[in-house]
Amino acid sequence: DAKTTQPNSMESNEEEPVHLPCNHSTISGTDYIHWYRQLPSQGPEYVIHGLTSNVNNRMASLAIAEDRKSSTLILHRATLRDAAVYYCILESNFGNEKLTFGTGTRLTIIP
Amino acid sequence: DTGVSQDPRHKITKRGQNVTFRCDPISEHNRLYWYRQTLGQGPEFLTYFQNEAQLEKSRLLSDRFSAERPKGSFSTLEIQRTEQGDSAMYLCASSPSGTSYNEQFFGPGTRLTVL
Repeated sequence: DAKTTQPNSMESNEEEPVHLPCNHSTISGTDYIHWYRQLPSQGPEYVIHGLTSNVNNRMASLAIAEDRKSSTLILHRATLRDAAVYYCILESNFGNEKLTFGTGTRLTIIP
Repeated sequence: DTGVSQDPRHKITKRGQNVTFRCDPISEHNRLYWYRQTLGQGPEFLTYFQNEAQLEKSRLLSDRFSAERPKGSFSTLEIQRTEQGDSAMYLCASSPSGTSYNEQFFGPGTRLTVL
């Protein structure tokens, strides 16, 4: 599986935008970029995914570099509830069903 | 439907005992996954079912571990002769088949402590 690199931790002020980076220089053409997050004492939850184009949903935006070797998860207006560990995951669309999590980025929101 | 449920939420056992965990996936989700998560780490894949068929097992799943999904609905994960190194959070996830991407829905997990 292609690997991802994320900062161990980040801090952001409440109600400000947050940009969470992920490097995946060995990404293949068939790999989707997934983001999951894990709130304290809960299982992970899906945030967003993309292949080549930038994506928006009600939770976040995903900006994918033109060469696909990096991506950024954007939380437009962070709230205290967004404090979590955020995982950037690559998954092939050729039936590789398991998700391979790294250690993620622990996001702290400062009130 | 309230999502993926797991039972029990917490289990404390003595080394050498057997434990069994249950996972109820979201109704009509054909795919079911088990992961293990230790403190400070991301979840690690253990095994995966498509309906009742166990299609993939991680090398982490030693012969003391067995998982079943007999009727393609709920699943059980059994650990025999538990060891202190088995202490972890055991997470279950499910996903529908036939989608173009693999969004997995996770349960709250079962936290196992082996004394």
